[in-house]
Amino acid sequence: AIQMTQSPSSLSASVGDRVTITCRASQGIGSDLGWYQQKPGKAPKLLIYAASSLQSGVSSRFSGSGSGTDFTLTISSLQPEDFATYYCLQDDNYPLTFGGGTKVEIK
Amino acid sequence: EVQLVESGGGLVQPGGSLRLSCAVSGFTLSDYYMDWVRQAPGKGLEWVGRIRNKVHSYTTEYAASVKDRFTISRNDSEHSVFLHMNSLKTEDTAVYYCVRDFLTAISGNTYTAFDMWGQGTLVTVSS
Repeated sequence: AIQMTQSPSSLSASVGDRVTITCRASQGIGSDLGWYQQKPGKAPKLLIYAASSLQSGVSSRFSGSGSGTDFTLTISSLQPEDFATYYCLQDDNYPLTFGGGTKVEIK
Repeated sequence: EVQLVESGGGLVQPGGSLRLSCAVSGFTLSDYYMDWVRQAPGKGLEWVGRIRNKVHSYTTEYAASVKDRFTISRNDSEHSVFLHMNSLKTEDTAVYYCVRDFLTAISGNTYTAFDMWGQGTLVTVSS
């Protein structure tokens, strides 16, 4: 199975900060990667698909980049509603695998 | 409005069985693949399995941890997807989410993503 290594596992940031989360695949997955946001007690929400395509209705402060094995989710200016846990998911090969998650906390 | 509503969770003893249901509305189920994703208490997300649509013969894929114990089925005419769970283990304790697969073509390639999620149903496996 493809392993998705997400880093950091947690970070503290302030409103207005630029935040970057990375995901590394154990083998090449092309652009078959999505990013999801999850708030406590809620279902995850799709932010980015195909590595860099913004899901409809999602704020443009979220962006994704990368291909092959290295991927990045960037939040250009952190807002109060962005404090959450973020997961990457590869859907290039079965079994589909998630990264371990990155918890974004308020500094 | 698109909705996915899971039901059927609860407390079950190790070795027992349970069937989860996912009732969908607001879209044509037959057009979509559907997945199940779970999350153990305080842990990350784990993909459980996928069922393709009729065009792709309702074929299924599973995570190794549930293969041969869990089965996904669907009834498009009743707007429902099911997760049949047998030989349950304590490590199957989790919130189970029903998820819609969004397929799109970009530059000649097809991509999928989980664009709609249910609210989840808690399965607790304990004696």
